[in-house]
Amino acid sequence: SQQGEEDPQALSIQEGENATMNCSYKTSINNLQWYRQNSGRGLVHLILIRSNEREKHSGRLRVTLDTSKKSSSLLITASRAADTASYFCATREGGTSYGKLTFGQGTILTVHP
Amino acid sequence: DAMVIQNPRYQVTQFGKPVTLSCSQTLNHNVMYWYQQKSSQAPKLLFHYYDKDFNNEADTPDNFQSRRPNTSFCFLDIRSPGLGDAAMYLCATSRVDRANYEQYFGPGTRLTVT
Repeated sequence: SQQGEEDPQALSIQEGENATMNCSYKTSINNLQWYRQNSGRGLVHLILIRSNEREKHSGRLRVTLDTSKKSSSLLITASRAADTASYFCATREGGTSYGKLTFGQGTILTVHP
Repeated sequence: DAMVIQNPRYQVTQFGKPVTLSCSQTLNHNVMYWYQQKSSQAPKLLFHYYDKDFNNEADTPDNFQSRRPNTSFCFLDIRSPGLGDAAMYLCATSRVDRANYEQYFGPGTRLTVT
């Protein structure tokens, strides 16, 4: 079953604007991670937030986690054309011993120069 | 730089003709994963190796097999590719004795079945 659901499916903004993507999940988790995928390439890990954390920052990225609502958001501030990519949330369910991740469907972000 | 390498980047095979995709890593990670990603979809885990222990996902077709001869290399074998197996195949690694379990991905191999 699909663990992570993301919205919006696609987001188009102008350079300099902020981009917000949301992710919802169904089961209890150990942590939630966000990955970026440029067209036709592999995924790159962006940021991880543990289940006991509520907010985390890394450069222009801000991630929040609400375990009571089983949801997370990724905010990219002051976006750049180079941020154009697909963004996936991935959850690591509690109890898995090998770090299995279940990915959401992703949000396609387009940043126009 | 430590990395995950996949070869080839693009692979064309014929319907029913066995094909092998390869992955190597210089990170010395103990877990290696194979994902299948179809266009505009999420990566779907096929199987993983935890050291030498092979773990198949319940819904992975028997047509897909894997080998891990040593820590650095892992292979994905598709015994009789069908048109529906055309996809991007992603290899990833992680080190599960670290609390974070973040995964490091290779660039992927795009498989075309003719």
